[in-house]
Amino acid sequence: EIVLTQSPGTVSLSPGETVTLSCRASQSVRDTYLAWYQQKPGQTPRVLIYDASRRATGIPDRFSGSGSGTDFTLSISRLEPEDFAVYYCQQYGTSPLTFGGGTKVEIK
Amino acid sequence: EVQLVESGGGLGQPGRSLRLSCVASGFRFDDFAMYWVRQAPGKGLDWVAGISWDSDDIGYADSVRGRFTISRDNAKNSVYLQMNNLRVEDTALYYCAKGLRHYYYYHVDVWGKGTTVTVSS
Repeated sequence: EIVLTQSPGTVSLSPGETVTLSCRASQSVRDTYLAWYQQKPGQTPRVLIYDASRRATGIPDRFSGSGSGTDFTLSISRLEPEDFAVYYCQQYGTSPLTFGGGTKVEIK
Repeated sequence: EVQLVESGGGLGQPGRSLRLSCVASGFRFDDFAMYWVRQAPGKGLDWVAGISWDSDDIGYADSVRGRFTISRDNAKNSVYLQMNNLRVEDTALYYCAKGLRHYYYYHVDVWGKGTTVTVSS
């Protein structure tokens, strides 16, 4: 199975700052079939980015995704208070589909 | 409104079985792949199983293959997860989830609220 390693594990930032999260795959992700989800405490996840760089419906443009092959990134510019959450990447190009371990973005 | 409602969770003993159900509403169920994703307390998301719209394509996480079986009944707008030979490490909140397309190589766009499975003797 494809193992997704996310880094950093936790990052502490202030509102207004920009952050880049990393997701590295143990083998190439087919057709850039990679998504990013956001999960807040007590809530279900919601998709932010799919196909590595396409924003899901209703997601603000301060969220952007990039990458191909084995290296992918999620960037969040001008952090808003509601952006502090845990972020997961998921590859869906090869079965079994897999999630990364998550990156927590916390308020400094 | 698109909705997924899970049921069937509870306390199960190691080695025993549980069956989870998920009823969908608000969309054409037989047009979309469905998944089960779990989350252990305080841990990350863990993809468990997926099934295409027509049940022709099915996949499992390595950790559950041979013990869990996913199935669907399009006439009942329902997807199921038969969990056999339960292990303590199967303890988690189990989410039913809808894929964006009919084949299961896609991401999740709708999540249920989940049903809790606790495996303990």
